[in-house]
Amino acid sequence: NAGVTQTPKFQVLKTGQSMTLQCAQDMNHEYMSWYRQDPGMGLRLIHYSVGAGITDQGEVPNGYNVSRSTTEDFPLRLLSAAPSQTSVYFCASSYSSLAGETDTQYFGPGTRLTVL
Amino acid sequence: GEDVEQSLFLSVREGDSSVINCTYTDSSSTYLYWYKQEPGAGLQLLTYIFSNMDMKQDQRLTVLLNKKDKHLSLRIADTQTGDSAIYFCAESPYTGKLIFGQGTTLQVKP
Repeated sequence: NAGVTQTPKFQVLKTGQSMTLQCAQDMNHEYMSWYRQDPGMGLRLIHYSVGAGITDQGEVPNGYNVSRSTTEDFPLRLLSAAPSQTSVYFCASSYSSLAGETDTQYFGPGTRLTVL
Repeated sequence: GEDVEQSLFLSVREGDSSVINCTYTDSSSTYLYWYKQEPGAGLQLLTYIFSNMDMKQDQRLTVLLNKKDKHLSLRIADTQTGDSAIYFCAESPYTGKLIFGQGTTLQVKP
């Protein structure tokens, strides 16, 4: 299994440009999430999905869109990039929570985004 | 609301024990986690504890949970230079959502 993969690893955008950060997992996980990591602030949840066709907002959703057309993929779209979106973005996935099972999240390697 | 707090920095000498502390607010979290992040890398799950446990030991790692005080700690015995990293505490109020602390940078001096 490749686990959770993210592309690209690095990206530089100009203010106002749009782009999609890709995330895929091959573990048949139902739950997928996007986080951003900023210095001194830990990781903050942007959007998450509990299954194909279902998405919901996290703590900091403004400026980002997501969709979940398949179990495997969970892309994050920046519609009009702003310098405040300069960050490291992590995608994560986990099993659904069953009695006695942990819902441990597995993280991708991250995408480092700079918006000029 | 949901909040997780950690101290930002800890420095220890190689061979000593390290103790990283965390407080959280959501008493409904079923699991509490410790993640490790090395420079330029993603997050690696170190260990987790179920909310009805007080302690969990895993080789050099010991997790203590005081549910009454909502306090979680991670003890690393015989700390090595390879343990230098950022350690994140996280609670899971419901599946698919993790609330992270700010991270504790552990510096291990030779």
